[in-house]
Amino acid sequence: AQSVTQLDSQVPVFEEAPVELRCNYSSSVSVYLFWYVQYPNQGLQLLLKYLSGSTLVKGINGFEAEFNKSQTSFHLRKPSVHISDTAEYFCAVIAMDSNYQLIWGAGTKLIIKP
Amino acid sequence: ETGVTQSPTHLIKTRGQQVTLRCSSQSGHNTVSWYQQALGQGPQFIFQYYREEENGRGNFPPRFSGLQFPNYSSELNVNALELDDSALYLCASSLGDKTEAFFGQGTRLTVV
Repeated sequence: AQSVTQLDSQVPVFEEAPVELRCNYSSSVSVYLFWYVQYPNQGLQLLLKYLSGSTLVKGINGFEAEFNKSQTSFHLRKPSVHISDTAEYFCAVIAMDSNYQLIWGAGTKLIIKP
Repeated sequence: ETGVTQSPTHLIKTRGQQVTLRCSSQSGHNTVSWYQQALGQGPQFIFQYYREEENGRGNFPPRFSGLQFPNYSSELNVNALELDDSALYLCASSLGDKTEAFFGQGTRLTVV
């Protein structure tokens, strides 16, 4: 079985400052990793994904994430945030040997302070 | 290329009633998954359909059931609604490929 832990329920940060949203996972098999963003009253949009290859993955809206297998982490980063980044961010995994069931973290609310 | 659409967007039901939620998958996608997202939580997998057959189910009771149609659209049915069923229900479609799922806007169900 897999599980995902997002260590921070909320992250407040000033506009134009860098941010890191943390994600750790647990799995006995190899997984694919994802970050999704959910804007208020909307569905989920894929930010980026790690399938294989380079451990540094670049996504939309200037976000990137780094897969660290030894630490079972997949932290999301952005060098300079904007008010428009205010949203909830979800980390998710799919086991490579399973069907398509995404296992999700509880989410991290990114709060941008002007 | 149309995206994933869900209907209705909002719904209020009374405890004990039944509800049907609908999802039109993205053009060409043959796999549909349903998730329940309670307030302040991450989504929880309900079940998945691939080419009209259920091929995976999460930890939800049998009163949660579904269908997928030949055009790959899907329904989620919930019988005997309980207050705890109040949540955002999300539908996601993919092309038989676990590397990317596209989500609809969700249906906000409130049970009173």
